[in-house]
Amino acid sequence: SQELEQSPQSLIVQEGKNLTINCTSSKTLYGLYWYKQKYGEGLIFLMMLQKGGEEKSHEKITAKLDEKKQQSSLHITASQPSHAGIYLCGAGGGSEKLVFGKGTKLTVNP
Amino acid sequence: DAGVIQSPRHEVTEMGQEVTLRCKLISGHNSLFWYRQTMMRGLELLIYFNNNVPIDDSGMPEDRFSAKMPNASFSTLKIQPSEPRDSAVYFCASSLLNQPQHFGDGTRLSIL
Repeated sequence: SQELEQSPQSLIVQEGKNLTINCTSSKTLYGLYWYKQKYGEGLIFLMMLQKGGEEKSHEKITAKLDEKKQQSSLHITASQPSHAGIYLCGAGGGSEKLVFGKGTKLTVNP
Repeated sequence: DAGVIQSPRHEVTEMGQEVTLRCKLISGHNSLFWYRQTMMRGLELLIYFNNNVPIDDSGMPEDRFSAKMPNASFSTLKIQPSEPRDSAVYFCASSLLNQPQHFGDGTRLSIL
């Protein structure tokens, strides 16, 4: 079965700093999803990547899928307190089951 | 548009009691997923349905758990009898074919 490993498990940064979260798969990724979760709330969909080398951006968040489709990264530029939360990567998706990583907890200090 | 709606948001009950969690899908979505989230195990898929038909229930912990879709827009997850180790946050999500899943805000379940 597919397993996703996220690193780091937690991250504390000063506001304005850039940061990167990684997601590594044990198998080739055919759909990679990034979600954000705030405490006590559900998961908010951020981005979906499907093609090797694909890169998508939304505001200050950029997600990439490597050419071999086994690793994805999420990069936040000039972080803000509003970026704080837990970021989860998920593989599969659509009408197929999603397997999630354990998440990366991001704290942004003002 | 209304998102996925879950109820109740919080449930506290004594072990041995029956617990029913409810989920309303986004209108038009045809896939429904139930997840459980704990600190130890993270987010785990319990069961999912396509077009009201259960496709994969391999994540359901044991026979005490059951899930149904009585119609295309509504689902229930039932635990009977409940045990303290069932305490977790339960999420449902819905989607269209090959589109991202949209999650509800979850039900925080505490079994005493």
